Amino acid sequence: HSALTQPASVSGSPGQSITISCTGSISDMGHYSHVSWYQHHPGKAPKLIIFEVSYRPSGVSNRFSGSKSGDAATLTISGLQAEDEADYYCSSYTSTTTLVFGGGTKVTVL
Amino acid sequence: QVQLQESGPGLLKPSQTLSLTCTVSGGSITSGSFYWSWIRQPAGRGLECIGHKYINGGTIYNPSLKSRVTISVDTSKNQFSLKLSSVTAADTAVYYCARVSTGGWHPPIPNWVESWGPGTLVTVSA
Repeated sequence: HSALTQPASVSGSPGQSITISCTGSISDMGHYSHVSWYQHHPGKAPKLIIFEVSYRPSGVSNRFSGSKSGDAATLTISGLQAEDEADYYCSSYTSTTTLVFGGGTKVTVL
Repeated sequence: QVQLQESGPGLLKPSQTLSLTCTVSGGSITSGSFYWSWIRQPAGRGLECIGHKYINGGTIYNPSLKSRVTISVDTSKNQFSLKLSSVTAADTAVYYCARVSTGGWHPPIPNWVESWGPGTLVTVSA
């Protein structure tokens, strides 16, 4: 199954809001609302920050929010902070009954 | 808080079989509605699901790897394992074991990755 499509990089200044897009197909996000997002600092284990499109696990900052429209999902990081600099991955359940990930987006805090 | 830890050889030759084990601590591998999964990340590339094992059900494999992959569970040791046969350089990656939540859906689906191991680098080189 093809990976979901994410921009390679997104940048913003501290305090700004940024959005990361994630585009899929009718086989995944176009049919299912099982979308999740992960924050990955290199050398560490990825961390779940959004599940089921827009829900945050306990302990995750409310500066992270998610949404979905059709076959595309969006992660918004508001009030950008230096610690948000990381790679971000989207994921969706697919019709092949497994999970598919996006290629990842590198967030840079200017 | 459940913790996962991968273990296994870090260097393989082409055509060999990759074998990794994930040890689960802080919780029983038989409790809850979870898939026990393997995910990998080649250097400079994105994440790729290898497969998922449901304790009370079947196993789901990535179609592109299905012919070479086996995921099994040893409940007595609270561990699960990955075997990937006939490896090539393309299988060089950081391999993560993970606990994947079903989110309570029925039939159960691999929904979101709730917990990850720290990852282990496996290099395939002659």
